[in-house]
This record gives sequence, structure tokens and C-alpha cells, in this order.
Amino acid sequence: SQQGEEDPQALSIQEGENATMNCSYKTSINNLQWYRQNSGRGLVHLILIRSNEREKHSGRLRVTLDTSKKSSSLLITASRAADTASYFCATDGSTLGRLYFGRGTQLTVWP
Amino acid sequence: GAGVSQSPSNKVTEKGKDVELRCDPISGHTALYWYRQRLGQGLEFLIYFQGNSAPDKSGLPSDRFSAERTGESVSTLTIQRTQQEDSAVYLCASSWREYEQFFGPGTRLTVL
Repeated sequence: SQQGEEDPQALSIQEGENATMNCSYKTSINNLQWYRQNSGRGLVHLILIRSNEREKHSGRLRVTLDTSKKSSSLLITASRAADTASYFCATDGSTLGRLYFGRGTQLTVWP
Repeated sequence: GAGVSQSPSNKVTEKGKDVELRCDPISGHTALYWYRQRLGQGLEFLIYFQGNSAPDKSGLPSDRFSAERTGESVSTLTIQRTQQEDSAVYLCASSWREYEQFFGPGTRLTVL
């Protein structure tokens, strides 16, 4: 399978703490994306990192990519209760246009 | 402009009935995707349309599933003779070429 796999499956933290989620994948990629999903509905795109990039920032989000280890991490700094959601990584694989999603990390941020 | 819309938002049907789910992509987006998400699971790819190219149907789980797209606009996903295991949220997404995907709110299908 080309699917990304997120780790951990579930993460529970207090507001203000940082949350780190990891993603591993199996095949070579052109880019890796992170999405967020609230309450089992539509996903929202958070950030895209290309295979020639190592780190990218967007607001409180920091994404790293290590293509030699086929892994990525998503860091959310100074978390808020509103960050509670499921987070998915998605990789493009050998088939142009398709994204391969992992099972996601369920993040719970307690106020 | 409007985002991706899907209808209905919820559908309850009896086993054996056919259902049709609709997706209206963002105007100008050439690519359209259908996914299925079972409770607590990740996204399962179903089908991908890109412009006038032949669709990638490799994710359709059985011949009871089919999808059509009219040009670069509306798409319908049809499930014939629904089974209880078809119960899931069906998500549609569109993108401009192969970049970030914009998702609709999904259709929650319950097969009794």
C-alpha cells in the first residue's frame, strides 16, 4: 500500500501545549499534504510540502519532511481547544492525481 | 465563490435500494474525486476524474458502484442494490490539476 500512516492514532493534550503528529509512507512522492477533519465531515487542507523541501511553516503549524526516512511530522504550537480534530497526511504516489490518505490522528485539546 | 457542495447531506435507505449522490465541484476545477470514509477510518479512494481523460475507477469496491461526470461539472455516484456495509460518509473533492483538494461536506449514507 502507498498509504501514509499517522502516529499516534490518538493524542490528548492541554491547551497551550504543543502537539506533534507523525506520518510515514512507503513510496517516493512529489509532495505530501496535511488535512484536518472536524466531526467526520469534509477535510480542510492545511499545508503542502514538496519533496525538495525539508520544513514549512504556516501560522502555528510546522511541517517537516524527511524523504530518506519517508516520514513527515506536523507540529501544532500553543494548541487551542478549537484544534480538536482528526489530522490526516496524504501523499501523491505513482498515479498522478491520486492522494493516498492515512487513518489519521485524533487530537483532543482540553481547555 | 462557493466551495464544493454535496447532496443530500444525509441519506437513509433500505437494503437493496439504489442511491444517487451528487457533487458540485468548484468552478474551474478539472479534477474531481470520490472517497468513502467508514466510521473512525481513513479515506478510501473510489474514483478520480480529470478533464476529458478516462476516469480512474480502480478504487470502486464492486460493480454496484458507478460514477459519472458531465464535462468539468457535476458528478453523481450511484450505488445499486445497497448493502449495510455501504453505510459510510461519501466525500467528494475537487482540485485544479493535481494540487490541494477541496472537500465537500460529505453525504452520510445509512443502509438499514
